[in-house]
Amino acid sequence: EAGVAQSPRYKIIEKRQSVAFWCNPISGHATLYWYQQILGQGPKLLIQFQNNGVVDDSQLPKDRFSAERLKGVDSTLKIQPAKLEDSAVYLCASSFGTGNYGYTFGSGTRLTVV
Amino acid sequence: QKEVEQNSGPLSVPEGAIASLNCTYSDRGSQSFFWYRQYSGKSPELIMFIYSNGDKEDGRFTAQLNKASQYVSLLIRDSQPSDSATYLCAVKAPRGNEKLTFGTGTRLTIIP
Repeated sequence: EAGVAQSPRYKIIEKRQSVAFWCNPISGHATLYWYQQILGQGPKLLIQFQNNGVVDDSQLPKDRFSAERLKGVDSTLKIQPAKLEDSAVYLCASSFGTGNYGYTFGSGTRLTVV
Repeated sequence: QKEVEQNSGPLSVPEGAIASLNCTYSDRGSQSFFWYRQYSGKSPELIMFIYSNGDKEDGRFTAQLNKASQYVSLLIRDSQPSDSATYLCAVKAPRGNEKLTFGTGTRLTIIP
């Protein structure tokens, strides 16, 4: 089975610019997650979708971050405007159902804000 | 108190020895527990999950769970240099909040 696809792999932007990340989950996986992993830290959940509905976005900085999952498949995470502290790896993961058997992560997008 | 705590290491273990990685969690109602391995510059990869108290073995890996002590561990037998990575402990919340909460990870180095 194909894995979780993410793009781009790397992105460098200046502060106050905007950026978007794309994720395509494993086919048939209803639940999609966006995590932020700052260097030296564990992944932190930003937003969780079940199909195309938001389940948890309690840790998403909504003044600058937004995410959508149209038609319950692909998802896009956007940051506008970016800050230096947004430099991190953005990981997309998907699971069948509620993740009782864990998630499968994509390769991630490494964002550097300068 | 952090929700999921791990010793960040680094933990150095000679090749062929047993590596022991530990994790504690704060939510007593947590249902299931996961160990992920993350190589430098790569994304986390699921190694094992455990739901019930006791041991669960998979090849050279053994996960141990003690819900009374809110403690999860991962043992790696016959450690190999390829086991050198950061190991992330993740905890799934009780029903109604299904997300995985990760610890900061323990960096493991296997010394040849």
